[in-house]
Amino acid sequence: NAGVTQTPKFQVLKTGQSMTLQCAQDMNHEYMSWYRQDPGMGLRLIHYSVGAGITDQGEVPNGYNVSRSTTEDFPLRLLSAAPSQTSVYFCASSYSSNGANVLTFGAGSRLTVL
Amino acid sequence: GQQLNQSPQSMFIQEGEDVSMNCTSSSIFNTWLWYKQDPGEGPVLLIALYKAGELTSNGRLTAQFGITRKDSFLNISASIPSDVGIYFCAGHTYSGGSNYKLTFGKGTLLTVNP
Repeated sequence: NAGVTQTPKFQVLKTGQSMTLQCAQDMNHEYMSWYRQDPGMGLRLIHYSVGAGITDQGEVPNGYNVSRSTTEDFPLRLLSAAPSQTSVYFCASSYSSNGANVLTFGAGSRLTVL
Repeated sequence: GQQLNQSPQSMFIQEGEDVSMNCTSSSIFNTWLWYKQDPGEGPVLLIALYKAGELTSNGRLTAQFGITRKDSFLNISASIPSDVGIYFCAGHTYSGGSNYKLTFGKGTLLTVNP
């Protein structure tokens, strides 16, 4: 089991460029989500999905798009990167234990926007 | 929305010392989770708590779900250098239907001096 796999691990973009952060999980989890981690801010939810074909916004969705065409994959798209999107991005998937989602995280993707 | 106050923000301790950190909120939580993030990696679940008053251990780690359901603490006994990292608390609050909202604390950065 690979768990949650994120690619790329590092990326540098220029302002205005677009890119997609990939996330794949092999645990057959229904729930997947994207977080960003910034110094002093903890983990903030960007978008999440409760199953294939279903996505919803989290706390900080602006500037990001997602789609969920399969159970395994949940890519995060930046259509026009901005310096404020410089961050470390984590994808997570989860099973439901006692009615709550216990997250398994990927190793992270560090993005720098110049 | 729900906020988790995690303290302390950072700790510098000597190897062998015990460590205690906690999270508090004005909201009632249904679960409490404690994660550890090693440098350059994603958070990994340490302990999950599901009932008020629950006390759970995982090796040298002990965590408790506060009786008021508004707080939780994590203790690490006899710290070792590999305990270095960021520790996050997280909790679920019920948000209606079959849905739960997961909130993260901002983390405690632990440094262990050998």
